[in-house]
Amino acid sequence: DSGVTQTPKHLITATGQRVTLRCSPRSGDLSVYWYQQSLDQGLQFLIQYYNGEERAKGNILERFSAQQFPDLHSELNLSSLELGDSALYFCASSVATSHEQFFGPGTRLTVL
Amino acid sequence: SQELEQSPQSLIVQEGKNLTINCTSSKTLYGLYWYKQKYGEGLIFLMMLQKGGEEKSHEKITAKLDEKKQQSSLHITASQPSHAGIYLCGADPSGTYKYIFGTGTRLKVLA
Repeated sequence: DSGVTQTPKHLITATGQRVTLRCSPRSGDLSVYWYQQSLDQGLQFLIQYYNGEERAKGNILERFSAQQFPDLHSELNLSSLELGDSALYFCASSVATSHEQFFGPGTRLTVL
Repeated sequence: SQELEQSPQSLIVQEGKNLTINCTSSKTLYGLYWYKQKYGEGLIFLMMLQKGGEEKSHEKITAKLDEKKQQSSLHITASQPSHAGIYLCGADPSGTYKYIFGTGTRLKVLA
């Protein structure tokens, strides 16, 4: 158990819908990262927050957005969902940037 | 953009055998992470290498970073079925915080 929690574990929804994925980092970790993992693209970095502020942006689509709240939990919002958005979404946390990241168990999103 | 290529893509070994997985970067490496993933689960941090020539060990797993070759290797000694999984290398290209990961090496250990 990494100490990072993600909810929900599974999510099945339809194209065009909007979903929110939630992540609680390990106690004391200020950085939160979001990743998307699919068979064809591998593990792709989406976005990083540090203590509530956006630190780095990767291959995140405009339909996706995230935020980190004052209590340091983070949410990833995915809207206008397409079939290709079906993937495992991981959240990770670390004490600070450039430190080892601890990954949550992931949310498996299926878009039908 | 920087890319990480892992080899081999998959590996099947008999229990007790040694094995090596390589991670080669298209650009200079400023540190490298190794993770292990069981299918459909989260990644488990193994090691972080920050300096050229650095070598770290965790139980029967040893990793080295060769900055000149822009490469890192992960070596497992006397493999066990518990070592099975997908091994991924990751890096922070040039300190941009936009982490990248290799395509992974799928390891199967036969008892």
